[in-house]
This record gives sequence, C-alpha cells and structure tokens, in this order.
Amino acid sequence: GAGVSQTPSNKVTEKGKYVELRCDPISGHTALYWYRQSLGQGPEFLIYFQGTGAADDSGLPNDRFFAVRPEGSVSTLKIQRTERGDSAVYLCASSPAGDADTQYFGPGTRLTVL
Amino acid sequence: QKEVEQNSGPLSVPEGAIASLNCTYSDRGSQSFFWYRQYSGKSPELIMSIYSNGDKEDGRFTAQLNKASQYVSLLIRDSQPSDSATYLCAVNIGTDKLIFGTGTRLQVFP
Repeated sequence: GAGVSQTPSNKVTEKGKYVELRCDPISGHTALYWYRQSLGQGPEFLIYFQGTGAADDSGLPNDRFFAVRPEGSVSTLKIQRTERGDSAVYLCASSPAGDADTQYFGPGTRLTVL
Repeated sequence: QKEVEQNSGPLSVPEGAIASLNCTYSDRGSQSFFWYRQYSGKSPELIMSIYSNGDKEDGRFTAQLNKASQYVSLLIRDSQPSDSATYLCAVNIGTDKLIFGTGTRLQVFP
C-alpha cells in the first residue's frame, strides 16, 4: 500500500513569509508525528496527534509553529513569519493505533528560508 | 547531557567486516529502543527494534541492549557498500515520541 506522503518535497520561501507543509499518513494510521531534521542532526520531535487532537505539542519551538489534523487523517504544519533558522527537513511519520513504536516516515519537505 | 548520544563518525570499515555502532541514553525510564538507517537525502527507515536486555538478531543485523549501562548497539555483519548510510539510534521514553541521536555515518569501502 501507499506510504506516508508529504507535499511539497521542496519549499523555498523568504524570511517573514507564511508556509504550510502537508502530510498524508498511511491509511488507517491513527497516530501522526511531525519531526524536524537539521543538517547533521537527528530528527527532533515537534508534535504528535492521536486522531484529531494534539496529544503532545511540547516540541514546537515557539508560537510561530502550529499544526492541525481536522479529520484525523491529513495534517498540516503551519509556520508563520518564517526565519532563516527554520530551514530544515520537516518529516512526518504515522503509526497504527496502539503501536507508537512502529513509526513510518514520509520523504520529508525540505524548507529553505532565504 | 543529550538524551541520546552517538559518535557522529564517520566509521569506516572494509567490505565483509563487522560494523559496530554504539549509542547511550540518559533516561532510565526508556522503554523501547530503535535503530533507523538513513541514506543521504532520504527519510529514516526502521531496521531494528529492541525492548529487553540482551541480543536480538535479524539477518546480518544484531541489536544489543544493556539497560543497566544505558547502552544500545547495532552490529552489522558482512558489511556491504550498500550499508553505507547514517544510522540513527532512537529511544521511546514512554511518551510515544522518539528521541533521536545525531546519527553515526557508516562508510563501507570495497
């Protein structure tokens, strides 16, 4: 079956602009995770959804970052007033209900803030 | 102290040798441990998970866990050039999110 998909694959924006990154999880997976990976680093947790609600948003760096999952499937990560330090690969992962240990990652969105 | 620590490498081994990758973690409440492989420009791919002390073998891969020493390792036997990648150690401390190390870059040369 289809894996986790993310769009766009690349996004270049200017400092101060607003961006939206989309994640489409594996069908039937109730848990969805957003991570951010900077060059030379491991993925860093941002936020985790169980169904429609954010179960843990402790990794969001500040209030410029927000994520939604209104119907419990597709999720959108929203970044306001982008800064150059936001440049990274944003990874989405999903897992089946009750199996947080099996997270399948999408290909990521490479965000570049000029 | 970082929650999950790995040597960034690169670790260079000849083809056919055993590659040994190491990881330490700080939270004694950690419950699950994972090794992900990440090729350059690609997303992480789960290759091994381990939950209890001891060894777990899957093909050419063996994961080792020592909770008393807070240490996880990955052994790759008969290393191949196609194993060249960054290997990420990850830990679930019971909150359903994964805490990753910075990764160790492995280079297998012919």
